[in-house]
Amino acid sequence: GQQVMQIPQYQHVQEGEDFTTYCNSSTTLSNIQWYKQRPGGHPVFLIQLVKSGEVKKQKRLTFQFGEAKKNSSLHITATQTTDVGTYFCAGGRFEETGANNLFFGTGTRLTVIP
Amino acid sequence: KAGVTQTPRYLIKTRGQQVTLSCSPISGHRSVSWYQQTPGQGLQFLFEYFSETQRNKGNFPGRFSGRQFSNSRSEMNVSTLELGDSALYLCASSLISPNYGYTFGSGTRLTVV
Repeated sequence: GQQVMQIPQYQHVQEGEDFTTYCNSSTTLSNIQWYKQRPGGHPVFLIQLVKSGEVKKQKRLTFQFGEAKKNSSLHITATQTTDVGTYFCAGGRFEETGANNLFFGTGTRLTVIP
Repeated sequence: KAGVTQTPRYLIKTRGQQVTLSCSPISGHRSVSWYQQTPGQGLQFLFEYFSETQRNKGNFPGRFSGRQFSNSRSEMNVSTLELGDSALYLCASSLISPNYGYTFGSGTRLTVV
């Protein structure tokens, strides 16, 4: 069945260091979405990538979708304490029903040490 | 505009009981999905509803059920509660399908004792 693996599970970085989390799917995806969940909060949508090889940036965050549409990454440059949280990828596959069947990765919990 | 509203926020139930959780999506959003979040299993998909029809279903036992009303509000029900059902239950809505990202509610924290 569909699986989306995400690594690493945990990451501790010094403030100002860079951070990357990787997402890999066992099958080709239609799209990939990224979410951030702050401690005690709920997931918040960050971005969606649809095209093969797509790269999108949001300030210090860079999102990539692999050429084969099976993997993705999120890179944060010069982390800040506000970046703390768990980052989830969600691989999507469009269904005939019109649904976008999303499979969430296990998440990467980022800790930023001031 | 108002976000996704889930009620109640916290719930404590006894094994064997049943529970109903409620979700009011963002106005105009027709797709509502439910997820179970636990520390060990992450975000597990329960089901998705669109226009009162279940369009997608995850791998949960039949004790977990849901429905969607004509105003897009949704409820999920868990019967014969087990200790392992203790989790954060998240509802998420999107316009037509989650093609442009879900908006999640704050969740209902269910504790089964």
